[in-house]
Amino acid sequence: VLTQSPATLSVSPGERATLSCRASQSLGNKLAWYQQKPGQAPRLLIYDTSTGATGIPARFSGSGSGTEFTLTISSLQSEDFAVYSCQQYYTWPWTFGQGTKVEIK
Amino acid sequence: EVQVVESGGGLVQPGGSLRLSCTASGFTFTNYPMHWVRQAPGKGLECVSRISSGGDSAQYADSVKGRFTISRDNSKNTLYLQMGSLRAEDTAVYYCARRHLTVGVLDNWGQGTLVTVSS
Repeated sequence: VLTQSPATLSVSPGERATLSCRASQSLGNKLAWYQQKPGQAPRLLIYDTSTGATGIPARFSGSGSGTEFTLTISSLQSEDFAVYSCQQYYTWPWTFGQGTKVEIK
Repeated sequence: EVQVVESGGGLVQPGGSLRLSCTASGFTFTNYPMHWVRQAPGKGLECVSRISSGGDSAQYADSVKGRFTISRDNSKNTLYLQMGSLRAEDTAVYYCARRHLTVGVLDNWGQGTLVTVSS
């Protein structure tokens, strides 16, 4: 089970956002992050805990290991307001967290 | 440009069947494992099924095992999901997604197709 917190994060543009994902068992580094905007498909941001996917801006970074993981957006841009979900691929079936909504403060 | 496009969603009665399709382009389809992921209204994402690049191996979430069948036709660059014995809780947007070649993540997704199970 993946538990994300907070459920909603209110942030002003230009500020830093820190999102958490906690796993019920150790995942090693098999943790990814996705961004999803309303009416759109998820977009891969980060995999292997901290590796940026192709074309992802450097303001997105991931960290952690084992059961505690973090996605940091260093300086929020207008296009970053969305729902962020973590995903484990340590074991099948792969599972996702319930998501953190990042909204404009 | 890598693209996957789903089709086949719609309204179906409980107990009914539906077949979803996903047509891929812009990459060598035969090289990639493929997945179906769904998202119920207001809920998180759920991996439903996956299939190997050659189509000889498939796995399912417990919630759909025995009711859904994943398959692919590599000659047509198309992925399928045959859904049977549908229940209200199967109502969701169903996404087709390409698995990254070396890492267990989904690096390209379609826009999804909505399946509504209701009488």
